Amino acid sequence: EVQLLESGGGLVQPGGSLRLSCAASGFTLTNYAMTWVRQAPGKGLEWVSDISGGGGSTNYADSVKGRFTISRDNSKNTLYLQMNSLRAEDTAVYYCAKDLSRDPRGLDYWGQGTLVTVSS
Amino acid sequence: NFMLTQPHSVSESPGKTVTISCTGSNGSIASNYVHWYQQRPGSAPTTVIYKDSQRPSGVPDRFSGSIGGSSNSASLTISGLKTEDEADYYCQSYDSSHRGVFGGGTKLTVL
Repeated sequence: EVQLLESGGGLVQPGGSLRLSCAASGFTLTNYAMTWVRQAPGKGLEWVSDISGGGGSTNYADSVKGRFTISRDNSKNTLYLQMNSLRAEDTAVYYCAKDLSRDPRGLDYWGQGTLVTVSS
Repeated sequence: NFMLTQPHSVSESPGKTVTISCTGSNGSIASNYVHWYQQRPGSAPTTVIYKDSQRPSGVPDRFSGSIGGSSNSASLTISGLKTEDEADYYCQSYDSSHRGVFGGGTKLTVL
């Protein structure tokens, strides 16, 4: 059974940093791209970033490019999102999701999400 | 920038059929696959259609997806509506720079 468990969310001040983790189980992580999606309170889904199965290719939304870094440790079955220079508008529930294939093509499994609140 | 546009809301009665559209802003929506996600209140999204028209295991065959011809749109159709289908539905695809794009979401009310 595929399971994705996010952690690392919390309250952080504007300008601060946070690292999210997503522990994956039930499948071979290296065979699949992975994606982070966020949802601000009361808003729709926003694609944030994805990374290919081997980790050699990454993509970012313009809203986070230069501030967020996606990475993965396939040996630990874990996906990461390093978030720097956080802003109030980054406040959201962050979901990790498994892609359909080694390169990003669409999502088939989602985690339950972790809440990030950026506030002073 | 490539955008996907969905109706804000749709409503229909139990047992009826509803179709939710997803229209691409430019080019052909068929350039990349379109996927559909369901999000019930207070829950994480789940996938109901992937690669335009494929249904994950466990998703009822009441859910179907298609790509339009000249209208540059994709559609999610739910037949035999049940109250449990009440949720937000999002379409998703990729732009020419391989970045993901979500539609704004459609709130389905089954009344």
